[in-house]
Amino acid sequence: AQSVTQLDSQVPVFEEAPVELRCNYSSSVSVYLFWYVQYPNQGLQLLLKYLSGSTLVKGINGFEAEFNKSQTSFHLRKPSVHISDTAEYFCAVSVPSSGSARQLTFGSGTQLTVLP
Amino acid sequence: EAQVTQNPRYLITVTGKKLTVTCSQNMNHEYMSWYRQDPGLGLRQIYYSMNVEVTDKGDVPEGYKVSRKEKRNFPLILESPSPNQTSLYFCASSFVTGYEQYFGPGTRLTVT
Repeated sequence: AQSVTQLDSQVPVFEEAPVELRCNYSSSVSVYLFWYVQYPNQGLQLLLKYLSGSTLVKGINGFEAEFNKSQTSFHLRKPSVHISDTAEYFCAVSVPSSGSARQLTFGSGTQLTVLP
Repeated sequence: EAQVTQNPRYLITVTGKKLTVTCSQNMNHEYMSWYRQDPGLGLRQIYYSMNVEVTDKGDVPEGYKVSRKEKRNFPLILESPSPNQTSLYFCASSFVTGYEQYFGPGTRLTVT
């Protein structure tokens, strides 16, 4: 079974500093990769996704992520964070299961707190 | 506006009292899913549906039921809720399995 590991459960960072949220997964077979953000009292919304092509993916709100097949990683980065980026971030990985179906697995989440 | 709606948003109930959380999407998605979110555990899938009348168990199905009689609706049923089902529940939909999912706003359930 696919596993997704978000190595840091909490990441505090000062405003305007860079940040990296780490995500590793277990299977590299035909993966689709996603990062979602959850603001307080809201549902999850998609930040960015990798399906194929360029390994550097740009998303909304200035976030980007790099697909590293050899390291089975998909780390999320932002060069300068704002207070409004405070939220929980989830990495998700989709792999083929049976027939044409795919199975989506979420990581346990990383709480990013931006400090003034 | 493309969206997934859930009702109610907040629910406090007592052990054993049957309840239903509704979920509806207006994007004509084939795939719908229910998750529960608990601190430190991320999102765990309860049930999913690949199309009308096609449902299957996710990772934590015990104590839950679902139905998919229409493409747009996917209600979650707790026949006899217990305190360990206190959680934050999300419904999600997508065009196909394993692709970008659209999430509802969540239902916070407390079972006393």
